[in-house]
Amino acid sequence: EPEVTQTPSHQVTQMGQEVILRCVPISNHLYFYWYRQILGQKVEFLVSFYNNEISEKSEIFDDQFSVERPDGSNFTLKIRSTKLEDSAMYFCASSIFTGTPGGYTFGSGTRLTVV
Amino acid sequence: DQQVKQNSPSLSVQEGRISILNCDYTNSMFDYFLWYKKYPAEGPTFLISISSIKDKNEDGRFTVFLNKSAKHLSLHIVPSQPGDSAVYFCAASALSGGKLIFGQGTELSVKP
Repeated sequence: EPEVTQTPSHQVTQMGQEVILRCVPISNHLYFYWYRQILGQKVEFLVSFYNNEISEKSEIFDDQFSVERPDGSNFTLKIRSTKLEDSAMYFCASSIFTGTPGGYTFGSGTRLTVV
Repeated sequence: DQQVKQNSPSLSVQEGRISILNCDYTNSMFDYFLWYKKYPAEGPTFLISISSIKDKNEDGRFTVFLNKSAKHLSLHIVPSQPGDSAVYFCAASALSGGKLIFGQGTELSVKP
């Protein structure tokens, strides 16, 4: 079964450093998303991406965040200057259509720890 | 801004019995509802969904019921199995947007 692959599975970084979280979505999917889950809290939408541009972003997704699809397969989330409160599980997801009945396919996540 | 709420953080059920997980929403623009199952250190896995034009959708042991007037949906698992033990998230979307709004999750424990 096709998978969304995320690397690394765990990243520890110092406050103020830049991090790049990587995702390889399912190859025929057109819509890409990043979500995050702070420990013990709900899964929160960060950003959606379609046709090489951001289609929607939440208030969490401020100027410190950016996304890119640098080639035909990778989808990255960059946090420019990490803060302690950025520590969370970050999930990438992809879908063929918006609102597809099958929902998205999520990756296994990257656990980001900012120290 | 809690547009999707799961008021029970946990639920414990005996193997073979029915598990009922509940979810309420406030935004009448939502027209798709989904249930995801999540194990620790893994991403959410899609279980079952329902469109707002339906009131029931069934897939094997899993049935989702939607009551639009009450803005309430529920997931029934019958019979429950120990392997069903996980955190279950309710999520909603408006087709035009595509983003999912998640509830807080309910941790289901099915005891043998």
